[in-house]
Amino acid sequence: DGGITQSPKYLFRKEGQNVTLSCEQNLNHDAMYWYRQDPGQGLRLIYYSQIVNDFQKGDIAEGYSVSREKKESFPLTVTSAQKNPTAFYLCASSLDGTYTFGSGTRLTVV
Amino acid sequence: RKEVEQDPGPFNVPEGATVAFNCTYSNSASQSFFWYRQDCRKEPKLLMSVYSSGNEDGRFTAQLNRASQYISLLIRDSKLSDSATYLCVALGGSSYKLIFGSGTRLLVRP
Repeated sequence: DGGITQSPKYLFRKEGQNVTLSCEQNLNHDAMYWYRQDPGQGLRLIYYSQIVNDFQKGDIAEGYSVSREKKESFPLTVTSAQKNPTAFYLCASSLDGTYTFGSGTRLTVV
Repeated sequence: RKEVEQDPGPFNVPEGATVAFNCTYSNSASQSFFWYRQDCRKEPKLLMSVYSSGNEDGRFTAQLNRASQYISLLIRDSKLSDSATYLCVALGGSSYKLIFGSGTRLLVRP
């Protein structure tokens, strides 16, 4: 079955460390997105990519980086420059207006 | 001002009640609108799209008023399983990203 897979489900990071969240899809979707959700809040767009080897900043890109070397993969790196990284991170992909979300990664800074 | 605004709730209703959620959006260029349902610690899942003519899916009815930039969701005969957060979502004017409201929490009690 086609779908979008995020890993890990839970991630703990020490302050000052970079961590990378994985997002893989086998839906053959061109566009992929990373969202962040804080408690009681909606989703905010971090980065998006409409095609391989191209990506753009979303509304809250500071402290994050991405790459899109393959159509199937859109990893997100949370760098030490992100001062408040504890949140729920959701990856999504889309084709022709149909969106599919991964099950999310919950990142906690310890 | 947020691009998509919702009453955060929570709405606490008995089983069988009818409940209505409202949402406003600020970008008049937004073309498509959706209601997503999100269970605690899970990814959002599409509940229904919203059309100007209004649309119904079982106990759920969605309405869009473009002149007022207003979206609604009506849930009839509430079930315990309807307890969740309901996210109002607009597809951005450039059609590449979803803009999420903060969500309205619904609690249906026995």
